[in-house]
Amino acid sequence: QSALTQPASVSGSLGQSITISCTGTSSDIGGYNYISWYQQHPGKAPKIMIHNVSNRPSGVSSRFSASKSGNTASLTISGLQAEDEADYYCTSYTNRSPMLFGGGTKLTVL
Amino acid sequence: DVRLVESGGALVQPGGSLRLSCVASGFTFSKYSMNWVRQAPGKGLEWVSYIGISPDVAFYADSVRGRFTISRDNVKNSVFLQMNNLRDDDTAMYYCARDLPDWSTDYWGQGTLVTVSS
Repeated sequence: QSALTQPASVSGSLGQSITISCTGTSSDIGGYNYISWYQQHPGKAPKIMIHNVSNRPSGVSSRFSASKSGNTASLTISGLQAEDEADYYCTSYTNRSPMLFGGGTKLTVL
Repeated sequence: DVRLVESGGALVQPGGSLRLSCVASGFTFSKYSMNWVRQAPGKGLEWVSYIGISPDVAFYADSVRGRFTISRDNVKNSVFLQMNNLRDDDTAMYYCARDLPDWSTDYWGQGTLVTVSS
Protein backbone atom coordinates (compact mmCIF):
# COMPACT_ATOMS: atom_id res chain seq x y z
CA GLN A 1 0.00 0.00 0.00
CA SER A 2 1.65 3.23 -1.16
CA ALA A 3 1.99 6.21 1.14
CA LEU A 4 -0.23 9.21 0.68
CA THR A 5 1.44 11.89 -1.46
CA GLN A 6 2.71 15.05 0.18
CA PRO A 7 5.15 17.65 -1.15
CA ALA A 8 8.61 16.97 0.23
CA SER A 9 9.03 20.56 1.35
CA VAL A 10 7.25 23.87 1.64
CA SER A 11 8.43 27.21 2.90
CA GLY A 12 6.94 30.50 3.97
CA SER A 13 7.92 33.71 5.65
CA LEU A 14 7.07 34.69 9.17
CA GLY A 15 3.46 35.82 9.34
CA GLN A 16 2.50 34.33 6.00
CA SER A 17 0.23 31.35 5.33
CA ILE A 18 1.12 28.04 3.75
CA THR A 19 -0.87 25.00 2.67
CA ILE A 20 0.33 21.41 2.62
CA SER A 21 -1.54 18.98 0.41
CA CYS A 22 -2.04 15.27 0.95
CA THR A 23 -3.30 13.24 -2.00
CA GLY A 24 -4.68 9.75 -1.87
CA THR A 25 -7.37 7.71 -3.54
CA SER A 26 -11.01 6.80 -3.13
CA SER A 27 -9.83 3.88 -0.94
CA ASP A 28 -8.45 6.22 1.69
CA ILE A 29 -8.86 10.00 1.76
CA GLY A 30 -11.72 10.06 -0.71
CA GLY A 31 -13.63 7.30 1.01
CA TYR A 32 -13.46 8.28 4.68
CA ASN A 33 -13.44 11.33 6.91
CA TYR A 34 -10.79 9.88 9.18
CA ILE A 35 -7.94 12.17 8.24
CA SER A 36 -5.39 13.47 10.73
CA TRP A 37 -2.35 15.71 10.63
CA TYR A 38 0.75 15.45 12.84
CA GLN A 39 3.61 17.81 13.56
CA GLN A 40 7.04 16.42 14.38
CA HIS A 41 10.02 18.44 15.52
CA PRO A 42 13.48 16.88 15.14
CA GLY A 43 14.14 14.20 17.72
CA LYS A 44 10.63 14.44 19.14
CA ALA A 45 7.53 12.29 18.99
CA PRO A 46 4.74 13.37 16.64
CA LYS A 47 2.00 15.63 17.95
CA ILE A 48 -1.55 15.54 16.68
CA MET A 49 -2.68 18.84 15.18
CA ILE A 50 -5.90 17.90 13.37
CA HIS A 51 -8.23 14.89 13.48
CA ASN A 52 -11.49 13.98 11.72
CA VAL A 53 -10.49 16.08 8.68
CA SER A 54 -10.69 19.49 10.34
CA ASN A 55 -11.01 19.20 14.12
CA ARG A 56 -8.35 20.75 16.33
CA PRO A 57 -7.60 19.05 19.65
CA SER A 58 -7.66 21.34 22.64
CA GLY A 59 -4.43 23.23 23.00
CA VAL A 60 -3.66 23.39 19.28
CA SER A 61 -3.47 26.91 17.89
CA SER A 62 -6.35 28.17 15.75
CA ARG A 63 -3.71 29.12 13.19
CA PHE A 64 -3.90 25.47 12.10
CA SER A 65 -6.85 24.50 9.91
CA ALA A 66 -7.57 21.68 7.51
CA SER A 67 -10.04 20.50 4.92
CA LYS A 68 -10.70 17.79 2.37
CA SER A 69 -11.88 17.82 -1.23
CA GLY A 70 -12.23 14.59 -3.12
CA ASN A 71 -9.08 12.53 -2.72
CA THR A 72 -6.99 15.43 -1.39
CA ALA A 73 -6.68 16.76 2.14
CA SER A 74 -5.03 20.06 2.99
CA LEU A 75 -3.45 21.60 6.08
CA THR A 76 -3.18 25.38 6.26
CA ILE A 77 -1.02 27.22 8.75
CA SER A 78 -1.68 30.93 8.96
CA GLY A 79 0.47 33.59 10.60
CA LEU A 80 3.59 31.43 10.37
CA GLN A 81 5.77 31.42 13.46
CA ALA A 82 9.31 30.17 13.91
CA GLU A 83 8.13 27.29 16.09
CA ASP A 84 5.96 25.98 13.24
CA GLU A 85 9.12 24.82 11.46
CA ALA A 86 8.82 21.03 11.59
CA ASP A 87 7.83 17.98 9.60
CA TYR A 88 4.13 17.46 8.95
CA TYR A 89 2.42 14.16 8.20
CA CYS A 90 -1.10 13.40 7.08
CA THR A 91 -2.81 10.08 7.76
CA SER A 92 -5.99 8.47 6.60
CA TYR A 93 -8.02 5.42 7.46
CA THR A 94 -8.11 3.08 4.46
CA ASN A 95 -10.03 0.04 3.30
CA ARG A 96 -6.94 -2.04 4.08
CA SER A 97 -5.52 -0.56 7.27
CA PRO A 98 -6.50 1.78 10.09
CA MET A 99 -3.76 4.26 9.35
CA LEU A 100 -1.80 5.17 6.23
CA PHE A 101 0.74 7.97 6.51
CA GLY A 102 1.82 10.48 3.94
CA GLY A 103 5.49 10.73 3.12
CA GLY A 104 5.85 13.88 5.19
CA THR A 105 6.48 17.55 4.38
CA LYS A 106 9.34 19.61 5.78
CA LEU A 107 8.15 23.13 6.56
CA THR A 108 10.81 25.83 6.57
CA VAL A 109 9.95 29.21 8.05
CA LEU A 110 12.01 31.93 6.39
CA ASP B 1 -1.06 13.14 32.89
CA VAL B 2 -1.13 10.58 30.12
CA ARG B 3 2.24 8.91 29.72
CA LEU B 4 3.49 6.17 27.41
CA VAL B 5 6.94 4.70 27.95
CA GLU B 6 8.44 2.27 25.44
CA SER B 7 11.30 -0.11 26.11
CA GLY B 8 12.96 -3.19 24.67
CA GLY B 9 14.74 -1.69 21.71
CA ALA B 10 18.23 -3.03 21.02
CA LEU B 11 20.80 -4.02 18.40
CA VAL B 12 19.85 -7.39 16.95
CA GLN B 13 21.14 -9.48 14.06
CA PRO B 14 19.02 -10.16 10.96
CA GLY B 15 16.70 -13.06 11.63
CA GLY B 16 16.62 -12.32 15.34
CA SER B 17 13.75 -11.44 17.64
CA LEU B 18 12.83 -8.64 20.02
CA ARG B 19 9.88 -7.85 22.24
CA LEU B 20 8.97 -4.21 22.68
CA SER B 21 6.90 -3.01 25.63
CA CYS B 22 4.91 0.15 26.20
CA VAL B 23 3.68 0.96 29.68
CA ALA B 24 0.77 3.38 29.94
CA SER B 25 -0.27 5.59 32.83
CA GLY B 26 -2.62 8.48 33.50
CA PHE B 27 -5.67 6.98 31.84
CA THR B 28 -7.86 3.87 31.90
CA PHE B 29 -5.75 1.71 29.61
CA SER B 30 -8.38 -0.99 29.10
CA LYS B 31 -10.70 1.51 27.40
CA TYR B 32 -8.33 2.43 24.58
CA SER B 33 -7.03 0.79 21.45
CA MET B 34 -3.30 1.17 20.84
CA ASN B 35 -0.94 1.43 17.90
CA TRP B 36 2.71 0.89 17.11
CA VAL B 37 4.22 3.30 14.59
CA ARG B 38 7.83 3.29 13.42
CA GLN B 39 10.23 5.71 11.80
CA ALA B 40 13.38 4.59 10.03
CA PRO B 41 16.37 6.94 10.43
CA GLY B 42 15.79 10.07 8.37
CA LYS B 43 12.54 8.70 6.96
CA GLY B 44 8.82 9.21 7.46
CA LEU B 45 6.34 7.62 9.79
CA GLU B 46 4.96 4.16 9.07
CA TRP B 47 2.04 2.58 10.88
CA VAL B 48 2.95 -0.94 12.05
CA SER B 49 0.15 -2.48 14.09
CA TYR B 50 -3.10 -1.85 15.97
CA ILE B 51 -4.77 -3.68 18.82
CA GLY B 52 -8.33 -3.03 19.81
CA ILE B 53 -9.92 -2.81 23.22
CA SER B 54 -10.61 -6.48 22.68
CA PRO B 55 -7.22 -8.15 22.14
CA ASP B 56 -8.81 -10.36 19.48
CA VAL B 57 -8.89 -7.36 17.17
CA ALA B 58 -5.46 -6.73 15.68
CA PHE B 59 -4.23 -5.36 12.37
CA TYR B 60 -0.80 -5.29 10.78
CA ALA B 61 0.97 -3.48 8.00
CA ASP B 62 1.77 -5.69 5.02
CA SER B 63 5.49 -5.20 5.71
CA VAL B 64 5.30 -6.93 9.13
CA ARG B 65 2.32 -9.28 8.86
CA GLY B 66 3.34 -12.81 9.77
CA ARG B 67 6.49 -11.65 11.58
CA PHE B 68 5.19 -9.25 14.24
CA THR B 69 2.52 -9.89 16.88
CA ILE B 70 0.83 -7.23 18.96
CA SER B 71 -0.67 -8.02 22.35
CA ARG B 72 -1.81 -6.24 25.49
CA ASP B 73 -2.03 -6.84 29.24
CA ASN B 74 -4.67 -4.66 30.85
CA VAL B 75 -3.49 -5.62 34.34
CA LYS B 76 -0.01 -4.31 33.60
CA ASN B 77 -1.35 -1.39 31.50
CA SER B 78 0.96 -2.49 28.74
CA VAL B 79 1.02 -3.16 25.03
CA PHE B 80 3.67 -5.34 23.45
CA LEU B 81 5.14 -5.93 20.01
CA GLN B 82 6.80 -9.28 19.46
CA MET B 83 9.07 -8.98 16.44
CA ASN B 84 10.45 -12.13 14.83
CA ASN B 85 12.61 -12.76 11.77
CA LEU B 86 13.86 -9.19 11.86
CA ARG B 87 15.26 -7.63 8.71
CA ASP B 88 17.57 -4.71 8.06
CA ASP B 89 14.62 -2.57 6.97
CA ASP B 90 12.96 -3.02 10.36
CA THR B 91 15.59 -0.66 11.76
CA ALA B 92 13.64 2.27 13.19
CA MET B 93 12.45 4.16 16.20
CA TYR B 94 9.29 2.42 17.39
CA TYR B 95 6.57 4.51 19.00
CA CYS B 96 3.45 3.37 20.80
CA ALA B 97 0.48 5.68 20.47
CA ARG B 98 -2.97 5.82 22.04
CA ASP B 99 -5.80 5.43 19.55
CA LEU B 100 -8.97 7.50 19.36
CA PRO B 101 -12.32 6.30 17.99
CA ASP B 102 -11.72 8.31 14.82
CA TRP B 103 -8.58 6.33 13.94
CA SER B 104 -6.24 9.13 15.00
CA THR B 105 -3.72 8.97 17.83
CA ASP B 106 -3.56 11.58 20.56
CA TYR B 107 -0.66 10.55 22.80
CA TRP B 108 2.70 9.11 21.80
CA GLY B 109 5.63 7.76 23.74
CA GLN B 110 9.19 8.92 23.13
CA GLY B 111 10.07 5.75 21.25
CA THR B 112 12.52 2.87 21.53
CA LEU B 113 15.24 2.28 18.95
CA VAL B 114 15.53 -1.03 17.14
CA THR B 115 18.64 -1.59 15.05
CA VAL B 116 18.90 -4.69 12.88
CA SER B 117 22.43 -5.23 11.68
CA SER B 118 25.05 -7.93 11.46
